Amino acid sequence: IAGITQAPTSQILAAGRRMTLRCTQDMRHNAMYWYRQDLGLGLRLIHYSNTAGTTGKGEVPDGYSVSRANTDDFPLTLASAVPSQTSVYFCASSDPLRTEAFFGQGTRLTVV
Amino acid sequence: SQKIEQNSEALNIQEGKTATLTCNYTNYSPAYLQWYRQDPGRGPVFLLLIRENEKEKRKERLKVTFDTTLKQSLFHITASQPADSATYLCALVRGRNAGNMLTFGGGTRLMVKP
Repeated sequence: IAGITQAPTSQILAAGRRMTLRCTQDMRHNAMYWYRQDLGLGLRLIHYSNTAGTTGKGEVPDGYSVSRANTDDFPLTLASAVPSQTSVYFCASSDPLRTEAFFGQGTRLTVV
Repeated sequence: SQKIEQNSEALNIQEGKTATLTCNYTNYSPAYLQWYRQDPGRGPVFLLLIRENEKEKRKERLKVTFDTTLKQSLFHITASQPADSATYLCALVRGRNAGNMLTFGGGTRLMVKP
């Protein structure tokens, strides 16, 4: 693994189903983020974590939850997916001084 | 409310010219500002960072300015090339007291024509 890895790359999900998007980094960064990107709305922060064991809400947290059990992993869970959660999801991490954020390749999620 | 605004319209320029992209923000006191490049189907890639006490930063053909009075950053690409065509995003970090959250503007798409 080099950098940030997200899985799956894409997914079609039935409304009402539960889904966890995975994110793993090997850079030992303390801070991690989840964003969604929608046409015309740019990148919007869903949840973040400044260090293992802590999480915080971003701009659009409703319908999503995260956990940070260790430094490397930051999964995003949709408890009951709705069509408005159709989007491209990006996970990112940054070093302690926040001088640069590294992004995964994204997960394209379609809720039908 | 807090806003980070970039021109949502695409910027079309001729190869060899200087491209200038704008990032304006309101109701923020950022510790620093970053610029990223995003290609279709890919995640953003970091380009440059400028701190609140810096006026200008350069890296090869890239130049960033930061005016905290105007609450504006300008991003310049000199001698532009078709390979520079991409979407460029600005991002603000508000500092430790605000949780160090990285917040993005909507991005501006740059098209460099040969």
